[in-house]
Parts: sequence; structure tokens; C-alpha cells
Amino acid sequence: GENVEQHPSTLSVQEGDSAVIKCTYSDSASNYFPWYKQELGKGPQLIIDIRSNVGEKKDQRIAVTLNKTAKHFSLHITETQPEDSAVYFCAASSTGKLIFGQGTTLQVKP
Amino acid sequence: GAGVSQSPSNKVTEKGKDVELRCDPISGHTALYWYRQSLGQGLEFLIYFQGNSAPDKSGLPSDRFSAERTGGSVSTLTIQRTQQEDSAVYLCASSLARGQETQYFGPGTRLLVL
Repeated sequence: GENVEQHPSTLSVQEGDSAVIKCTYSDSASNYFPWYKQELGKGPQLIIDIRSNVGEKKDQRIAVTLNKTAKHFSLHITETQPEDSAVYFCAASSTGKLIFGQGTTLQVKP
Repeated sequence: GAGVSQSPSNKVTEKGKDVELRCDPISGHTALYWYRQSLGQGLEFLIYFQGNSAPDKSGLPSDRFSAERTGGSVSTLTIQRTQQEDSAVYLCASSLARGQETQYFGPGTRLLVL
């Protein structure tokens, strides 16, 4: 069935460093790949997304890359700040419903 | 504008009781989704509604789970004869349409079955 693998499960970086989270997906028909940030006690919030006709997208300190051949996509956060600390989820979709990865807990140390 | 709202925010119930969880989507959004997030886990798709089309129920874990969407707006997720393994955060999301549209999530309902 459809599956999304996300790594690492936890990531600790020093403030100002970069953070990279990687996901792979199994359904070759997937064409939409959002990333969500979830803070404790809150619902997930979209931070960036990419569609299959684009290889890379950037929004200030956040960027996402997509390799459809390898069925792999990544989130890059540069110049991390303590407020970036949260759980990050990748997801893939081909039919509208989102298939989520297991999440990455990012800790940014001041 | 107003985002997706869910009620109640927290629900504690006894094993065997029925519960109803409510979702109010963003006005004008025709697609509505329910997901479940167990402790420390990712989000698991349950069901989604798109306009007047038949809902996709492929993610519902058992026949104790059902959902309705009245008037193309508010949705209710019902869990009958709750079990302890039903304890989780139930999240609702809505989007302008099915497909590659951004899904906006509500804050969730935290369900605890004792």
C-alpha cells in the first residue's frame, strides 16, 4: 500500500545551523508533497509544499527539493532559530488524501 | 478569516460509550478530511468528503467508526462502543477542492477512553 518513510525521527541542531529532513514515498502516482509543522497541543500547520512538475521550491529560510525518479523529497531549514523547534511531518498525495511520514522532532538549541 | 474549528477540544469517556466529534470547515471549502494521530505517531487518514460525491471511507479502522457531512459544511465523526485503543487526537482538515489543494487543519479533539 501507500507508504511514506521519514528520517530522522529526532534531530538536534545548534541555533544558526541548517536542518535537513528526508522522506521517501512508495506510490509513483503521488504528485503533491506538503510539509507541516506541529507544535505541542496544536494542529499541523502547512509550511511549504511542492507539486510534481517542480524540482525545488524556496520560501525564505525553508526549501523543499523533489526527486521523482528516486521518489524522494527533502525539507531544508537554514539559519535555524529556537522557534523552529517542533515536530515536522512530510506527506504525499495522489488522490487528495494525505499519506504522512512518522514525523521528525527538531530541537534547536540556543 | 476563521480557520477550521473542532469541538470538543478534549473528551474523556468510558470504554463502551459512544462519542461524537464535530468539525466546522473553512467557509467555502468543499473538501473535508478526518485524520487520527495516536500518541507519538504520524497522522492516519480516516475519511474524506468532496462536495456531493460519495465519501472515501477507505481509512476507517472498523465499522464502529462513521462520519457524516450535513449540508456540505459541518461534519461529525462518530465512534460507537469506544475502546481504549481509540484514544488519540482526531484532526479535521478542509481544502478548497479535492486534489492538490492545501489542507488546513483544525486544533484537534483529544479523546481519552478509560
